[in-house]
Amino acid sequence: GAVVSQHPSRVICKSGTSVKIECRSLDFQATTMFWYRQFPKQSLMLMATSNEGSKATYEQGVEKDKFLINHASLTLSTLTVTSAHPEDSSFYICSARGSQETQYFGPGTRLLVL
Amino acid sequence: GDSVTQMEGPVTLSEEAFLTINCTYTATGYPSLFWYVQYPGEGLQLLLKATKADDKGSNKGFEATYRKETTSFHLEKGSVQVSDSAVYFCALTRSGNTGKLIFGQGTTLQVKP
Repeated sequence: GAVVSQHPSRVICKSGTSVKIECRSLDFQATTMFWYRQFPKQSLMLMATSNEGSKATYEQGVEKDKFLINHASLTLSTLTVTSAHPEDSSFYICSARGSQETQYFGPGTRLLVL
Repeated sequence: GDSVTQMEGPVTLSEEAFLTINCTYTATGYPSLFWYVQYPGEGLQLLLKATKADDKGSNKGFEATYRKETTSFHLEKGSVQVSDSAVYFCALTRSGNTGKLIFGQGTTLQVKP
């Protein structure tokens, strides 16, 4: 099946710094990528949808200036958590969708803000 | 708004036991329904799906039937294996949608030898 990678898998940063997370579709072109956030023992919450070459669409309650999403190519989307704070600590997961309906998920990135 | 509710876990079973994980949904229109599985340390994988009422999705011995009358999509397997230990997520996407998935809270399954 299709493979989606995320980098880094784990990151620890100081409060106030910015962190970039990459999501890549390795063997297909992803016209749409999705970013989710998962809290411990809770479900995945969709943060935003990004289409290649256009601005991301954010879900209600998600700060677009804090969570910057770039989808510059058909195989790469990035999520930048700007001026991170401890409450941003979470598990961030991306998914990618190509020509078919099925979404393929990355393994996730665990962010810890000290 | 649309939502998905799953039975709470964790579910602990012995090998070869019968598995049922309940899932009910609330949605307008006719959503597509999915089961995803997340093995330890890995990303979510699509397990099975159904796109209309009375459809049965099946894969790797797992089955789920889209029941519109009870708004349910329960996951079943006749004989679980230790390798089935994972977190299972029920999800829906609305017809005509851009592909946005709405997930249930996930159910952890642990199968003991």
